[in-house]
Amino acid sequence: NAGVTQTPKFQVLKTGQSMTLQCAQDMNHNSMYWYRQDPGMGLRLIYYSASEGTTDKGEVPNGYNVSRLNKREFSLRLESAAPSQTSVYFCASSRTPALAASNEQFFGPGTRLTVL
Amino acid sequence: GQQLNQSPQSMFIQEGEDVSMNCTSSSIFNTWLWYKQDPGEGPVLLIALYKAGELTSNGRLTAQFGITRKDSFLNISASIPSDVGIYFCAGRGLGNQFYFGTGTSLTVIP
Repeated sequence: NAGVTQTPKFQVLKTGQSMTLQCAQDMNHNSMYWYRQDPGMGLRLIYYSASEGTTDKGEVPNGYNVSRLNKREFSLRLESAAPSQTSVYFCASSRTPALAASNEQFFGPGTRLTVL
Repeated sequence: GQQLNQSPQSMFIQEGEDVSMNCTSSSIFNTWLWYKQDPGEGPVLLIALYKAGELTSNGRLTAQFGITRKDSFLNISASIPSDVGIYFCAGRGLGNQFYFGTGTSLTVIP
């Protein structure tokens, strides 16, 4: 059981470039999430997918798009990267959507993105 | 967006001491989670709380869901060097989102 995996681990982009961050979970979880972590800000939700086939905006969705490719995979795309998107990105998954009790989120190791 | 107030921001303690940290919110929450994050890693869930007043332990860690439902506390007893890291609280209200605290950085001096 690998849990939640993310690729790549590190990435450097130039302003305006695009890229996709990949996330996969092998726990048969229904819900998946993308967060960004900035110094002194804690974790902020970008997008989430309560179940396969659905996606919803979180707290800071601007500049990002997501795709829930199947139950296992949830990707985050930056169409035109900006320096303000320099951050550490974490993917997480949970068995049930947040509204249900016993919702516990499990996190991947993160992707460290720098936009020059 | 909502941010949780987590304090203290950082702690430097001697090995063997007990640690206390807390999280407060202006909104009522239905769930509180406590995570630990090691450098270069993702957060790892330590304790989950689902009822006001609930007190839950995980080894040397004890967390409580405040009666007002606007706060939560985490205590670590008899700290050891491997307790070093950043501790985050996370809370969920009526919606689908969890909101995270800004973290407490713990340093344990051997």
